[in-house]
Amino acid sequence: SYVLTQPPSLSVAPGKTASFTCGGNNIGSRNVHWYQQKAGQAPVLVVYDDRDRPSGIPERFSGSNSGNMATLTISRVEAGDEADYYCQVWDRSSDHQVFGGGTKLTVL
Amino acid sequence: EVQLLESGGGLAQPGGSLRLFCAASGFTFSNSAMSWVRQAPGKGLEWVSSISDDGGKIDYADSVKGRFTISRDNFRNTLSLQMNSLRGDDTALYYCASFDWWSGYFDYWGQGSLVTVSS
Repeated sequence: SYVLTQPPSLSVAPGKTASFTCGGNNIGSRNVHWYQQKAGQAPVLVVYDDRDRPSGIPERFSGSNSGNMATLTISRVEAGDEADYYCQVWDRSSDHQVFGGGTKLTVL
Repeated sequence: EVQLLESGGGLAQPGGSLRLFCAASGFTFSNSAMSWVRQAPGKGLEWVSSISDDGGKIDYADSVKGRFTISRDNFRNTLSLQMNSLRGDDTALYYCASFDWWSGYFDYWGQGSLVTVSS
């Protein structure tokens, strides 16, 4: 089955840039989606199809995907961005949805 | 405003059954694929099952295949998950989510319903 690998944690100072990585075999050939989950809340879609943002998501959130790595970038990080971030793809060979293990963002 | 409201969770014994429901509003339910995603306490997200807009296509995670059954009622705007032969590792918060079948993302999520499997 397809595996997505995310580092468990990331710490960033306010105003700086946070880069979340999501590794997978030839992930660049798949559509990658990203979710933000704040403590005690349901996940929220923040980027879909590698780089598109749903309405209401700030332009500070951006995505890219190439080769074996997809990246979610949050520019000008704020305290309110502190959350767990998950990447997800559709493994069409099995028709299964696959999530990465998630990265916990701490804003220093 | 899109709203997804889960219900039906609770305590079940190992080997027992529970049925979850998700009441949808604020969008055209009959035009939307739907999914269940779960999250064990302190753990990450795990996809459970998806159903197409007309119910004609259904997929399950290997961990629940043969034990769980997803269904929908497009007249009542309701999604269901029948869970049988429950195990301790089924203990989780179960989220209902709308699902874009073309690209494979979950665009709206409910607040979840907690299922605890314990004797």
